[in-house]
Amino acid sequence: EAGVAQSPRYKIIEKRQSVAFWCNPISGHATLYWYQQILGQGPKLLIQFQNNGVVDDSQLPKDRFSAERLKGVDSTLKIQPAKLEDSAVYLCASSFTGHHQETQYFGPGTRLLVL
Amino acid sequence: LAKTTQPISMDSYEGQEVNITCSHNNIATNDYITWYQQFPSQGPRFIIQGYKTKVTNEVASLFIPADRKSSTLSLPRVSLSDTAVYYCLVGEGGSGNTGKLIFGQGTTLQVKP
Repeated sequence: EAGVAQSPRYKIIEKRQSVAFWCNPISGHATLYWYQQILGQGPKLLIQFQNNGVVDDSQLPKDRFSAERLKGVDSTLKIQPAKLEDSAVYLCASSFTGHHQETQYFGPGTRLLVL
Repeated sequence: LAKTTQPISMDSYEGQEVNITCSHNNIATNDYITWYQQFPSQGPRFIIQGYKTKVTNEVASLFIPADRKSSTLSLPRVSLSDTAVYYCLVGEGGSGNTGKLIFGQGTTLQVKP
């Protein structure tokens, strides 16, 4: 079974530039998550999709971050404009139904450095 | 929302058994306890999940006392490849169906030769 795919793996940009990350979840998984992991900390949930609808985006900085999952499969996360504090690893995860405490499967992440 | 407390770091040697204890005093009645493992440059990976008493799989054991206010992840005979960060998570509780995982800082386990 193929895992969660993410691209790119690394990205370096200057502040105020824009950047986009792509995620393809495990086939058949209805729920997709985007997490932000700052160095030395645990991942923090940014947004959760159930199929192509948003379930939770309470911690997404909506003035600069946006995400979509138009066809209920793959997803993109965008930052525009980027700030220095956005330097982090952006992890995508998926689960079969998204039910409470169901196992989540994580991708390798995209490491973003904002200069 | 149940908060978890676990040691920031632990050291061990190859071949030893490692026990990582997590405190979750405010765990709700219907919460499960879940542990994830994260290697450098990888996303977290599910290790084990339990509700009460003892759960064992091919990777680890999870011990949960009757009051469920703490839990212990046990890794038998660790090897260098077990060097990683281990996260203890307790479910959001209530009737929520969001599947939200709240990660703390985790425990960094360093296995030495």
